Amino acid sequence: EVQLLESGGYFVQPGGSLRLSCAPSRFTISGYPMSWVRQAPGKGLEWVSTISSSYDYTYYADSVKGRFSISRDNSKNTLHLQMNSLRAEDTAVYYCARALGGGRAANWFDPWGLGTLVTVSS
Amino acid sequence: DIVMTQSPDSLAVSLGERATINCKSSQSILYSSNNRNSLAWYQQRPGQPPKVLIYWASTRESGVPDRFSGSGSGTDFTLTISSLQAEDVAIYYCQQYYNAPVTFGGGTRVEIK
Repeated sequence: EVQLLESGGYFVQPGGSLRLSCAPSRFTISGYPMSWVRQAPGKGLEWVSTISSSYDYTYYADSVKGRFSISRDNSKNTLHLQMNSLRAEDTAVYYCARALGGGRAANWFDPWGLGTLVTVSS
Repeated sequence: DIVMTQSPDSLAVSLGERATINCKSSQSILYSSNNRNSLAWYQQRPGQPPKVLIYWASTRESGVPDRFSGSGSGTDFTLTISSLQAEDVAIYYCQQYYNAPVTFGGGTRVEIK
């Protein structure tokens, strides 16, 4: 079974930074677009960012544009999300997911990781 | 952005009975190049990440029980659980991937009556 494992979630004050990581097993991320999707406590799902499989094109939700940066390290088969200038409204479980369907940042997601909790509070 | 609206917000169904969840998009998500609707359905059990059930509106993911089916076209879609089982208690989300940003419906909570 394909699995994804996120790490890096923590408690941080507003204005702070965090770097999330995602390491898949049983597939190589260089062959797929990869995404981050978040879920605020008790709320629904919100797409955050996608990185393409080729040329590393990156796409962001308006809510995080200019503050978050997605990247991949193919040598370590790891996906990252650098989160700067964090706000209380960024508090959520962050899931990484493989993006399928071939669209430019227009994909469905399978599989999803277990998620990592980011809490932004003073 | 395309707005996805699900109904109802929650429903309670007896074991073995049918559950029907609706999803409406604010514009057509029929992809003309392949004549397919760019819609996925996910199941999120308590304490777990989402899991894809259906994509292209009606294609069941490998390993998903055949009691789950997706239908609809254009702007109106339905997820049907033909015979509800205890393990189907979850929140179900629809998602459009017709264009970026991809967007999700607000979710429908399914419980046992």
